Amino acid sequence: DAGVTQSPTHLIKTRGQQVTLRCSPKSGHDTVSWYQQALGQGPQFIFQYYEEEERQRGNFPDRFSGHQFPNYSSELNVNALLLGDSALYLCASSLAFRAGAFQETQYFGPGTRLLVL
Amino acid sequence: AQSVTQLDSQVPVFEEAPVELRCNYSSSVSVYLFWYVQYPNQGLQLLLKYLSGSTLVKGINGFEAEFNKSQTSFHLRKPSVHISDTAEYFCAVKRAAGNKLTFGGGTRVLVKP
Repeated sequence: DAGVTQSPTHLIKTRGQQVTLRCSPKSGHDTVSWYQQALGQGPQFIFQYYEEEERQRGNFPDRFSGHQFPNYSSELNVNALLLGDSALYLCASSLAFRAGAFQETQYFGPGTRLLVL
Repeated sequence: AQSVTQLDSQVPVFEEAPVELRCNYSSSVSVYLFWYVQYPNQGLQLLLKYLSGSTLVKGINGFEAEFNKSQTSFHLRKPSVHISDTAEYFCAVKRAAGNKLTFGGGTRVLVKP
């Protein structure tokens, strides 16, 4: 049973560049959430995708955008990178009962560590 | 909105000693509660969860947690730690009707021989 996978594992970018991170959910899951974990802090919710639409969003600027594909995989895009975007980006998957109702447990991938110079 | 406070940022403990990690939460609605563990350079692994029912929840690796509604707490315990328990531990809450996890700041456990 494949768990949540993320790529790449590490990434180095410079300020102003754009980055795309990828996530494949756990087998059987249809909902993907993205979190940002700055060094020494707990993860912060960025947004969640279900049925190829952004369903819920945390307190992140529009520079952060995403996409979900028909196979439930997802991308996180960050434009105009800032030094403060350096963090571990975690993807979590879960299963929806229906729109707005989800199984209680989210399963996390290993993360993508982004360094912005 | 929900919030989570983990009262200890670091907890040093000797091998085979007990450990307790404290977590308090704030929410105006019913929530589910979780503890996740993060080993160095890895993602988050679910240790245990409280949804309803018995307030004492047992998880993997010998961990357990107790939900206390009146004190809005969900403290994590292990009676005897191993070196391999060295990691960061995160308490998280989720609205019963939602899908967003709100995390505490984490507690770093360092198990000493």
